Amino acid sequence: GENVEQHPSTLSVQEGDSAVIKCTYSDSASNYFPWYKQELGKRPQLIIDIRSNVGEKKDQRIAVTLNKTAKHFSLHITETQPEDSAVYFCAALTSGGSYIPTFGRGTSLIVHP
Amino acid sequence: GAGVSQTPSNKVTEKGKYVELRCDPISGHTALYWYRQSLGQGPEFLIYFQGTGAADDSGLPNDRFFAVRPEGSVSTLKIQRTERGDSAVYLCASSFNTLALAGGYNEQFFGPGTRLTVL
Repeated sequence: GENVEQHPSTLSVQEGDSAVIKCTYSDSASNYFPWYKQELGKRPQLIIDIRSNVGEKKDQRIAVTLNKTAKHFSLHITETQPEDSAVYFCAALTSGGSYIPTFGRGTSLIVHP
Repeated sequence: GAGVSQTPSNKVTEKGKYVELRCDPISGHTALYWYRQSLGQGPEFLIYFQGTGAADDSGLPNDRFFAVRPEGSVSTLKIQRTERGDSAVYLCASSFNTLALAGGYNEQFFGPGTRLTVL
């Protein structure tokens, strides 16, 4: 089955700095990679996703890049703000199957004002 | 419209007891997923329903865990003879028919979870 590794487990930055979270996956058949943000005590919410037919996708201050050859993908947050503080989860799955995502262990992002 | 709801929000029980956790998906969502999230971990897949049937239950850890979705809407996760290791947040998510888009994927919307504590 799929295995997703996520690093770092904790990331502390100053407001305005950039933050990068990296994930690797093992199953070359995976072709869809969503990222979720989970604030303390709240439900995970999808913030951005990327499919395997593109290498990069951007939405305002967040972007995701995908390297299929190396089987890794990254979340980039620019101009971080205190409200970006949360746990971020990457996931990988294969469309055409049960659409069951395998999640990484999460990265706790702390943005200091 | 309303999002995915789960009840109860918190459940404390004693080892050996039976518990039921309920999930109300978004109206019209035919796919429903159950996950378990332990502290410091990502959600771990348990079971997936497409309509009334369990399309994939490969994530259920053992036969103490069972889930139903008799009318294709509300789902109940049932845990028998609870153990302390079952303590976790149980998340439910729903989406439109995952097969609706050719090669596509429908976003899963998560509920707030039920925090289960087994003493």
